[in-house]
Amino acid sequence: KNQVEQSPQSLIILEGKNCTLQCNYTVSPFSNLRWYKQDTGRGPVSLTIMTFSENTKSNGRYTATLDADTKQSSLHITASQLSDSASYICVVSAGSGTASKLTFGTGTRLQVTL
Amino acid sequence: DAGVIQSPRHEVTEMGQEVTLRCKPISGHDYLFWYRQTMMRGLELLIYFNNNVPIDDSGMPEDRFSAKMPNASFSTLKIQPSEPRDSAVYFCASRKQVIGELFFGEGSRLTVL
Repeated sequence: KNQVEQSPQSLIILEGKNCTLQCNYTVSPFSNLRWYKQDTGRGPVSLTIMTFSENTKSNGRYTATLDADTKQSSLHITASQLSDSASYICVVSAGSGTASKLTFGTGTRLQVTL
Repeated sequence: DAGVIQSPRHEVTEMGQEVTLRCKPISGHDYLFWYRQTMMRGLELLIYFNNNVPIDDSGMPEDRFSAKMPNASFSTLKIQPSEPRDSAVYFCASRKQVIGELFFGEGSRLTVL
């Protein structure tokens, strides 16, 4: 059964600090992995997408890594801001074409405080 | 483009009542998805359409749930009769290609009393 597990479930950090969120998956056959940011009361918005051959991808202060061998991904946030407070969801795509299926993690809830 | 548009944003109803959630996908997107999000289970796929045709409805919890897509710019998710355990946020999402980026609406928060 395809599964995506994220850790920690929740995290509180001070503004300006860095943090790393983890995503472990057992999805086959792997197609790609996405990180989404979901603000409270809003829909998820894509941050990055990574395919099998990509190890690192950055989007501003967000850097995602992928280790396809260990089936792990991380999302690193540098110099956190209050606006980074949100849930971060890891989504792994399995298969290709019309058989492509998405498996969602339950997310990490990040709170950035003063 | 205005993005994926959902209505209503909030719905409070009593058990047994019919609920209809609406979605307008991004113009030109061929795929439309309905998801349900709860704290315990996260985002779960209910059903998705390709070119207005339902492709996979295996996530629809039971016969009380139904979804339609009469044309490329409109879809509905209906719950009849509603139950308290249906309380959740329901998201509609669309994408242009089979493996393209998924764009979500702002969600419809349903509370069934």
